Amino acid sequence: DTGVSQDPRHKITKRGQNVTFRCDPISEHNRLYWYRQTLGQGPEFLTYFQNEAQLEKSRLLSDRFSAERPKGSFSTLEIQRTEQGDSAMYLCASSLPFFNEQFFGPGTRLTVL
Amino acid sequence: AQSVTQPDIHITVSEGASLELRCNYSYGATPYLFWYVQSPGQGLQLLLKYFSGDTLVQGIKGFEAEFKRSQSSFNLRKPSVHWSDAAEYFCAVGAHDAGNMLTFGGGTRLMVKP
Repeated sequence: DTGVSQDPRHKITKRGQNVTFRCDPISEHNRLYWYRQTLGQGPEFLTYFQNEAQLEKSRLLSDRFSAERPKGSFSTLEIQRTEQGDSAMYLCASSLPFFNEQFFGPGTRLTVL
Repeated sequence: AQSVTQPDIHITVSEGASLELRCNYSYGATPYLFWYVQSPGQGLQLLLKYFSGDTLVQGIKGFEAEFKRSQSSFNLRKPSVHWSDAAEYFCAVGAHDAGNMLTFGGGTRLMVKP
C-alpha cells in the first residue's frame, strides 16, 4: 500500500495523559499536513511541514501540541496533558509541492475520558 | 483569511436523481478549490480540483463542478446518483501563500433513498 498511513487508528486515554500519533506520508511527498476533525465538522488545519521544516502552525495548535518530522519522512503529533476537548479525529495528509492535491490518511480517532 | 460555506448540512435524494451540492468560498485571490468525499470510517478522497483554466471540471465517479467567480461558488453536481454515493462531502479552498493549507467547509451529508 503506497498511501498515507496513520498509527494508531484509535486511541482512548484519560484526561491528563500524553498521547503521540504517527503519520507516514507517500514516500516522494515532501509536504505533510496535520488536520483535526471534530464530529459533524470539516477538518481544520493544524500545521504543515516541508521536508523537516515546520512552516506554518494554526492558532488551534496550543502549547500542549507539538509536531515533528525529524528526517523529512514520517511525522509525529504529540498532545500533552490531554483534555476532553481534544477528542477528535486527527488527519494527516501529504502532497508534492506547489498546489498539488493532498492525499489523506485514514485518521487517528482520539477519545479523552 | 479564507472561508468556505456549505449551506446544506443534509441532503436526501432518490437513487437515479440528479444532485447539486452547494459551496461558497471567500478568498482574496484566484482560489484553488477542491471537493472531497468521506465515507464512514474512511479518510478523505479527492473527487476533483480546480486550479485554473476551464471552469467546468470533471472528477471521479461521474462528478463535476463549476467554478463561478462572480458568485464565489464551486458547486458539485452529478446527473444520476447511486446508492454508493451516500457519504459526507466537503468543499475546500487552498491558500497559495501558506503551503496550500486547506480550509474546509462544514460538510454536506448525502443520503440516497432507494
